Amino acid sequence: GAGVSQSPSNKVTEKGKDVELRCDPISGHTALYWYRQSLGQGLEFLIYFQGNSAPDKSGLPSDRFSAERTGGSVSTLTIQRTQQEDSAVYLCASSSTRGNTEAFFGQGTRLTVV
Amino acid sequence: GESVGLHLPTLSVQEGDNSIINCAYSNSASDYFIWYKQESGKGPQFIIDIRSNMDKRQGQRVTVLLNKTVKHLSLQIAATQPGDSAVYFCAEKENAGGTSYGKLTFGQGTILTVHP
Repeated sequence: GAGVSQSPSNKVTEKGKDVELRCDPISGHTALYWYRQSLGQGLEFLIYFQGNSAPDKSGLPSDRFSAERTGGSVSTLTIQRTQQEDSAVYLCASSSTRGNTEAFFGQGTRLTVV
Repeated sequence: GESVGLHLPTLSVQEGDNSIINCAYSNSASDYFIWYKQESGKGPQFIIDIRSNMDKRQGQRVTVLLNKTVKHLSLQIAATQPGDSAVYFCAEKENAGGTSYGKLTFGQGTILTVHP
C-alpha cells in the first residue's frame, strides 16, 4: 500500500477483554515497530521486528502483551485481559532496511478500556 | 532513553521567530538521527535526518545540528509559522550490530506552540 495502515482506528473495550490491533506495513519493509503513546506523553517502545531475526521484546510492559509478525509482513499486537491503564494510542511504524532510512508511521489505533 | 510516563517540555514562540528544539540522545553507537513532527491525532511524520559523519544538515526552513561529543541534537526552524505547532521528537538508530541493530529509539519530545 501507499503507507502504513493500522486497524481499527478506534477501539473501545471492556476491562478484562482481549484485543487485537493490526498493522500493515509498507510493502517490502523489513523492519516493523510498535509504540504506545499516552495522552500528552512521548513514544513508549514496545517491540521491534527485523526480518527473520528474533524480535526485540524488551519494551513490552507485561506478559499480557504479545505481538507477532506473519510472513514478514502484517503484524498483530495482542493485549490480553485489558486494564484501564492500557488505554493509549498504539502506533506502528515500518522501515525498509537497517540502514539510514527513516521509519514511516501509521495513524495509530486509539484504545480505550472502560 | 525511552520516554515513559513523562510530561513533555514545551516551547512557545511568536510567529516569525526562529525556534530551537533540543534533544539529548543516549547511545554513543547511534549513527543515524531523525526528527519527527507529530500533529494532533496523527502519527509522527519525518522532517529531516542526519548521519553521524555530518554535523549539520539543512532542509526547507529547518536545520539539524549534531554534536556527537556531547550526544546532542537540535532542530532549528526558521520563521516559525502557526502550522509548525506540534510535538517534535528526535530519534536515534544504531546500525552497528547487536540485538538492537536498526532499532529506532525516540527521545522525550517537545511541544512547540506558535502564537500568531
